[in-house]
Amino acid sequence: IVLTQSPGTLSLSPGERATLSCWASQSVSSSYLAWYQQKPGQAPRLLIYGASSRATGIPDRFSGSGSGTDFTLTISRLEPEDFAVYYCQQYGRSPPMYTFGQGTKLEIK
Amino acid sequence: EVQLVESGGGLVKPGGSLRLSCAASGLTFSNAWMNWVRQAPGKGLEWVGRIKSKSDGGTTDYAAPVKGRFTISRDDSKNTLYLQMNSLKTEDTAVYYCTTEYGLWSGGGFQYWGQGTLVTVSS
Repeated sequence: IVLTQSPGTLSLSPGERATLSCWASQSVSSSYLAWYQQKPGQAPRLLIYGASSRATGIPDRFSGSGSGTDFTLTISRLEPEDFAVYYCQQYGRSPPMYTFGQGTKLEIK
Repeated sequence: EVQLVESGGGLVKPGGSLRLSCAASGLTFSNAWMNWVRQAPGKGLEWVGRIKSKSDGGTTDYAAPVKGRFTISRDDSKNTLYLQMNSLKTEDTAVYYCTTEYGLWSGGGFQYWGQGTLVTVSS
């Protein structure tokens, strides 16, 4: 399964709403769709698991939605610390493997 | 608090070998399914492989680009995960992260990550 993220780069201002998309080449179980945030020089951080559940400590301005082949990460009001690269990821069971999207860079406008 | 600390990265020539380690604490390591994920400089994330807990069979799965060259193992007595990398290629140059879904279901998402260790394959 190939994951395609859109857009490649998103330029927004603090306080604005961000909508990041992730399309799968085949249907993905929602249980196996996750989103990560990565800042320069840091390891990725899990934001969303099971397509819509926030990981521990993640602010409620982050939300995930979608099903099948179309998933979305929404940041309701951007804070300065939200500017980073975001990846979606899916898990396939047969054969077992994990696939990441190519990433969306969220930059300050 | 779960902590994962990788070590063993460095510069190696093409065709060479290197072994990475990941020391885990703050979790019941023997129950954890452990993974390696890598990131080439300026590129995205790529899953390398995983090892199940011994109670779940201890089996391994690998991504196609590393299958047959890389081997993942674990020493539960030392709470340590390993990645043995043989026949290294320049395209294996990356930061290698140790990660786990511990606390979630398999495929749920990688909750815990190490800080990464850089492997550079160059002549």
